[in-house]
Amino acid sequence: ETGVTQTPRHLVMGMTNKKSLKCEQHLGHNAMYWYKQSAKKPLELMFVYNFKEQTENNSVPSRFSPECPNSSHLFLHLHTLQPEDSALYLCASSRDRDNQPQHFGDGTRLSIL
Amino acid sequence: GQNIDQPTEMTATEGAIVQINCTYQTSGFNGLFWYQQHAGEAPTFLSYNVLDGLEEKGRFSSFLSRSKGYSYLLLKELQMKDSASYLCAVSYRDSNYQLIWGAGTKLIIKP
Repeated sequence: ETGVTQTPRHLVMGMTNKKSLKCEQHLGHNAMYWYKQSAKKPLELMFVYNFKEQTENNSVPSRFSPECPNSSHLFLHLHTLQPEDSALYLCASSRDRDNQPQHFGDGTRLSIL
Repeated sequence: GQNIDQPTEMTATEGAIVQINCTYQTSGFNGLFWYQQHAGEAPTFLSYNVLDGLEEKGRFSSFLSRSKGYSYLLLKELQMKDSASYLCAVSYRDSNYQLIWGAGTKLIIKP
């Protein structure tokens, strides 16, 4: 399924670098999400956007900065990350925010050196 | 807190049946989802339960008991391709309908 596309698939960066993750959904959904997935841990919700407006920010450090220019695109800007930020970052979308199945991208595997 | 508990790992035999359990706290419950995630791939939606009972979709079924805070995912006629992690996620009214996720159950299918 290519409904939600994330780029890049893999990213290696140093702690002083600045990079951005991109997510695009072709499903006509109104809600988009960023999740962090670490090995053997539950998915951690980072940010939620509904109709381009940020509705949730789950105590995420300011070194992660989301941007949602329209309801089809979502970015996660990264700067001065820490080694513990190494994880799989998943983007998802759903028709609406409430009790709708979420459709996920394949994720960006991020490694911080 | 709202913990979602599911076994870390299960092993089953090709052609058999396996049941993956999920327990959650009942206060404010608004719905439960099951997802499948193959290694290195995106989670994909399997089922949604909001009322008590069994929902069947081909080889996969999902059951919910709201009073007990309990759900299970039942996989029949197991195939090797069913080897994956199965994620349970619950929506709560007092969490602004955000999904609270379990850590997932890694299912290993043996020939």
